[in-house]
Amino acid sequence: DIQMTQSPSSLSASVGDRVTITCRASQGINNYLAWYQQKPGKVPKLLIYAASTLQSGVPSRFSGSGSGTDFTLTISSLQPEDVATYYCQKYNSAPREFGPGTKVDIK
Amino acid sequence: QVQMVQSGAEVKKPGASVKVSCKASGYTFTTYGISWVRQAPGQGLEWMGWISAYNGNTNYAQKLQGRVTMTTDTSTSTAYMELRSLRSDDTAVYYCARDGSIAAAGLHWGQGTLVTVSS
Repeated sequence: DIQMTQSPSSLSASVGDRVTITCRASQGINNYLAWYQQKPGKVPKLLIYAASTLQSGVPSRFSGSGSGTDFTLTISSLQPEDVATYYCQKYNSAPREFGPGTKVDIK
Repeated sequence: QVQMVQSGAEVKKPGASVKVSCKASGYTFTTYGISWVRQAPGQGLEWMGWISAYNGNTNYAQKLQGRVTMTTDTSTSTAYMELRSLRSDDTAVYYCARDGSIAAAGLHWGQGTLVTVSS
């Protein structure tokens, strides 16, 4: 099975900072990669699918890139409401593994 | 609008079974697949499996094979996840999530169902 890893596991940044999270698949998954945001105590929310397509309604400060095995989620200007854990997920085939998550908070 | 409404919290003893429901509305139920995802306290998201609401085909996570069964009832637009031989480490919030219309990523999520396994 393809394994998903994320780095870093957590980060602390200032409001307005550019934040980048990396997700790596152990084998190529083309662009079948989604990013989710989960705020404390809340249901996960789909941010990006197909590696770089922003889900409707998601602020444009979020962007995704990559293909194959290496992917990134970028928040161009971190806002207080972006405090959350971010997960990547492969969905090209079963099992649709999630990455372990990256916890983002404000410095 | 699309809604996925799950059944309420459950408390089970080790060795018992639990069946969580997920009632869909706001779309044609048989058009999209549904994943089940769980999250143990303080832990990350774990994909449990997926079911096609069209034909009932399933994929399960290998670690749950033999203990989990996912089904649908198209007459009531409801998906079910049954987990048997419960252990304490099955304590988690269980979510259903419907595939998106463009990508098979979880676009519409249920509110979550807390299953507590305790003697």
